[in-house]
Amino acid sequence: QSVLTQPPSASGTPGQRVTISCSGSSSNIGSNTVSWYQQLPGTAPKLLIYSNNQRPSGVPDRFSGSKSGTSASLAISGLQSGDEANYYCAAWDDSLSGYVFGTGTKVTVL
Amino acid sequence: EVQLLESGGGLVQPGGSLRLSCAASGFTFSNYAMSWVRQAPGKGLEWVSGISGSDGSTYHADSVKGRFTISRDNSKNTLYVQMNSLRVEDTAVYFCARRASGRYYYLDYWGQGTLVTVSS
Repeated sequence: QSVLTQPPSASGTPGQRVTISCSGSSSNIGSNTVSWYQQLPGTAPKLLIYSNNQRPSGVPDRFSGSKSGTSASLAISGLQSGDEANYYCAAWDDSLSGYVFGTGTKVTVL
Repeated sequence: EVQLLESGGGLVQPGGSLRLSCAASGFTFSNYAMSWVRQAPGKGLEWVSGISGSDGSTYHADSVKGRFTISRDNSKNTLYVQMNSLRVEDTAVYFCARRASGRYYYLDYWGQGTLVTVSS
């Protein structure tokens, strides 16, 4: 059972901005940094955001992350059809001594 | 170019064992901690196990503790996970992933995965 909670789905039309939330606790998001992963259909996950708001080389600045307290969020601006994917947040959990993922959010471009 | 290539997946009966391997290339393997992450069919991601780069410290999720053992051979640039007492609920695609260097925990490169099916 996932420790981090995300909405199951989010959607928008091309060009719109979509935001995905990730809710955790003091032992994970509250005390460690958050990362986000994008999983396109049939492929392996890909790192999208690390250390709450940093983008790896090659990730467009349309993707941005933020964190406040025990919650985090991922924003996708200028939504494109190629952004249709599942998105997962993740953080180290000090109580579990393990890395925990969110429940995942499927983004649909209408 | 960083590459991670998993192998060893397949069909196994409940109670059986399987060893997965992950061949790494394109970076100094011994300098990086590594992890296994799995994904059951149609489900989300679940971190399974992690191992440090040098001192061999290991971590396992409660769901596999006592049944799975992560290990590595730095001379062969290979990561392993020995899976014993397999259950139907262990059926999943297993990904190996590299933990980025530094203070913060995140997985910067992933393999394509290998499918493990536990069924009678």
